[in-house]
Amino acid sequence: DTAVSQTPKYLVTQMGNDKSIKCEQNLGHDTMYWYKQDSKKFLKIMFSYNNKELIINETVPNRFSPKSPDKAHLNLHINSLELGDSAVYFCASSPRQAVKAFFGQGTRLTVV
Amino acid sequence: AQSVTQPDIHITVSEGASLELRCNYSYGATPYLFWYVQSPGQGLQLLLKYFSGDTLVQGIKGFEAEFKRSQSSFNLRKPSVHWSDAAEYFCAVGRTFSASKIIFGSGTRLSIRP
Repeated sequence: DTAVSQTPKYLVTQMGNDKSIKCEQNLGHDTMYWYKQDSKKFLKIMFSYNNKELIINETVPNRFSPKSPDKAHLNLHINSLELGDSAVYFCASSPRQAVKAFFGQGTRLTVV
Repeated sequence: AQSVTQPDIHITVSEGASLELRCNYSYGATPYLFWYVQSPGQGLQLLLKYFSGDTLVQGIKGFEAEFKRSQSSFNLRKPSVHWSDAAEYFCAVGRTFSASKIIFGSGTRLSIRP
């Protein structure tokens, strides 16, 4: 009965590969997010998305793209992975923007 | 190049003291400006936004921000902080109020001293 679930939990891949992280929420929320946890453990927003608008942090490289097949899913695609992409990525959802969000357990991505 | 700079990574103020968080931007056109707050375990919350009109903008939770074109700044202020204000604050700039790419600053973490 996990509210926000991410798969995989761990992902190890080589530089240059393309990978995806999946996120699903069963809470009926309108807004979903992707965050990257930096080396200081701060969560940095990457994308905020609902069925009406996508807000992108322009500091995020174009190699990262969110894909939402439906309201309950927001997948993160990453092309041409680089060593600096290694981090923990968190998905989250909320009933609408500006309301408390529920977080997934995180995906630890390691690029070698 | 378009950018947003928040020069203070971490600020600690005493409860009840005044607060000012700095934000400077570089943007080719007239910008839409935002301040967001991210409390621990929560998503982003919009505090206030500005595009035109009165350069002093009032937001939620007692926050205000002042747009100064000559200084390319949009500093966030609050006269008296509360312990619940401890969070990370992001300044952002964009082309419109919604459905647009928004450039976020790196954030300023605010801690409140009892």
